[in-house]
Amino acid sequence: GAGVSQTPSNKVTEKGKYVELRCDPISGHTALYWYRQSLGQGPEFLIYFQGTGAADDSGLPNDRFFAVRPEGSVSTLKIQRTERGDSAVYLCASSPSSGGGPDTQYFGPGTRLTVL
Amino acid sequence: AQTVTQSQPEMSVQEAETVTLSCTYDTSENNYYLFWYKQPPSRQMILVIRQEAYKQQNATENRFSVNFQKAAKSFSLKISDSQLGDTAMYFCAFGAQGGSEKLVFGKGTKLTVNP
Repeated sequence: GAGVSQTPSNKVTEKGKYVELRCDPISGHTALYWYRQSLGQGPEFLIYFQGTGAADDSGLPNDRFFAVRPEGSVSTLKIQRTERGDSAVYLCASSPSSGGGPDTQYFGPGTRLTVL
Repeated sequence: AQTVTQSQPEMSVQEAETVTLSCTYDTSENNYYLFWYKQPPSRQMILVIRQEAYKQQNATENRFSVNFQKAAKSFSLKISDSQLGDTAMYFCAFGAQGGSEKLVFGKGTKLTVNP
């Protein structure tokens, strides 16, 4: 079946602009995660959804970052007033987990965000 | 907070040979899961193998196996009969049982398989 998809694959924006990154999880997966991967680093956790609700948003770096998953499927990561330090690859993952433990997470190809 | 350390930034191996990638972690949790993910240049993270901490037996998946030492908090990945397609970044990751299901990743090891 179809895997996790993310759009756009690349996004170039100017400092101070607003961006939205979209994630389509695997159908039926209740859990969805966002990570950020800077150059030469491993992915860093941003936020975790179980269904429509954010079960853990402790990784969001500041209030410029926000994510939603209104119908428990597609999720959008929103970044306001972008800064050059926001440049990174944003990875989305989903899993069938219902909250009983860290099930295998299936990752999308990521969105490379470049803030000029 | 959990931390994951991969002490080998880069490694190389000849095709058909065996290579071992190291990973150590720090946690006060007793129940958790450990993962190895592969990230080729295409950026897509792919699960290689997973290990539940409560299981004594080391996980194996075809040419991939782990050496899980719970007391030492060590979780190394062995790749046998290395193939050119194994060239990629390899990330070790930790996930605690219960609570948030986030994964904590190491910085990765860049593996190159030479012909």
